[in-house]
Amino acid sequence: NAGVMQNPRHLVRRRGQEARLRCSPMKGHSHVYWYRQLPEEGLKFMVYLQKENIIDESGMPKERFSAEFPKEGPSILRIQQVVRGDSAAYFCASSPLPGDGYTFGSGTRLTVV
Amino acid sequence: TQLLEQSPQFLSIQEGENLTVYCNSSSVFSSLQWYRQEPGEGPVLLVTVVTGGEVKKLKRLTFQFGDARKDSSLHITAAQPGDTGLYLCAGRGADGLTFGKGTHLIIQP
Repeated sequence: NAGVMQNPRHLVRRRGQEARLRCSPMKGHSHVYWYRQLPEEGLKFMVYLQKENIIDESGMPKERFSAEFPKEGPSILRIQQVVRGDSAAYFCASSPLPGDGYTFGSGTRLTVV
Repeated sequence: TQLLEQSPQFLSIQEGENLTVYCNSSSVFSSLQWYRQEPGEGPVLLVTVVTGGEVKKLKRLTFQFGDARKDSSLHITAAQPGDTGLYLCAGRGADGLTFGKGTHLIIQP
């Protein structure tokens, strides 16, 4: 009964490259949430998806960032043309229902050099 | 925007001592959750409180939801080094689930 699986655990990208972060939710969970964490800012909500639909993307920058949760396969957070300020830990969480507690993955630590 | 203030930001105490950390807001939440996060890992859900005044116990941890559902506290009795971590509260409201910045707790042996 695997938990939320995120990969890669660590990702290094040069400025201007693309970063693709993957998240497989817990079995039976159809609600996926992406958060970004910086030491001085805490966990910041980015986007909430349910299979094939973006429910709330109010926390995600409108440029360069996109997210998807296809019918088959993991949820993907995509960052195009990365900049140094994108360096952070990105966490994915899932829940069986929107009001339930979240199960978090171990995160992807993105470093932009 | 719903904001959650956690205090203290940092706390370092000796093994065996008791401690309380706080989570406060001016907003009302339908429920409040506490998570613990260890370095290099994601947060792990400890408890969800729903009813104003509700008290939940998890071994040496006692969680309380304020009567007005705007604040919460976490009390740890006889702290142990294994309790070390970042404790996050998260309130569910109109804006979804909002996290505080956390209390960094270190229990020294």
